Amino acid sequence: GQSLEQPSEVTAVEGAIVQINCTYQTSGFYGLSWYQQHDGGAPTFLSYNGLDGLEETGRFSSFLSRSDSYGYLLLQELQMKDSASYFCAVRGDSGAGSYQLTFGKGTKLSVIP
Amino acid sequence: KAGVTQTPRYLIKTRGQQVTLSCSPISGHRSVSWYQQTPGQGLQFLFEYFSETQRNKGNFPGRFSGRQFSNSRSEMNVSTLELGDSALYLCASSLTRDPYNEQFFGPGTRLTVL
Repeated sequence: GQSLEQPSEVTAVEGAIVQINCTYQTSGFYGLSWYQQHDGGAPTFLSYNGLDGLEETGRFSSFLSRSDSYGYLLLQELQMKDSASYFCAVRGDSGAGSYQLTFGKGTKLSVIP
Repeated sequence: KAGVTQTPRYLIKTRGQQVTLSCSPISGHRSVSWYQQTPGQGLQFLFEYFSETQRNKGNFPGRFSGRQFSNSRSEMNVSTLELGDSALYLCASSLTRDPYNEQFFGPGTRLTVL
């Protein structure tokens, strides 16, 4: 099966940088994704890492190390609107050629002035 | 293009009843997955449908079922509702079953069981 660990809460100051870590265990690996979810909203896709290294999309970057089963999401120049829950998700084998997306419990980011 | 839509957005039921939730994927998307989200358990995978066939199922009891129609629209059904079924039910669609495809989530259906 699959399991993921990420911190439950993080607080950071507006304009600062914050890193949200994620470690995972999975049978088969087809990539690590990150999703953002505001209170009352639906998860929205932020980034995907299929190979080791850093992926950058504007203020957000995501990193993956497959050998360490570890990844992180880096948010730069934090804005108040970045206050949300962030989920890492790993896609792994669930048998019979199926791929299942398993989510971590989420990290609630609070950005303070 | 229009995003994933789910109906109804809110639902209140009593224990023992059954409920049917509906999901319309993004046009052209053929894979639909369902998730249950609760404060305690987070986002948990329910099942995935592709070409009208259930391709994958999470660890939920048989009271949870679903189906997909030829136009890729999907429904999920929960029978004999329990208090613990109160949750946000999210539907996500993707273009194909390719594991590298991004999943797009709908706004969810908030189910309350009294």
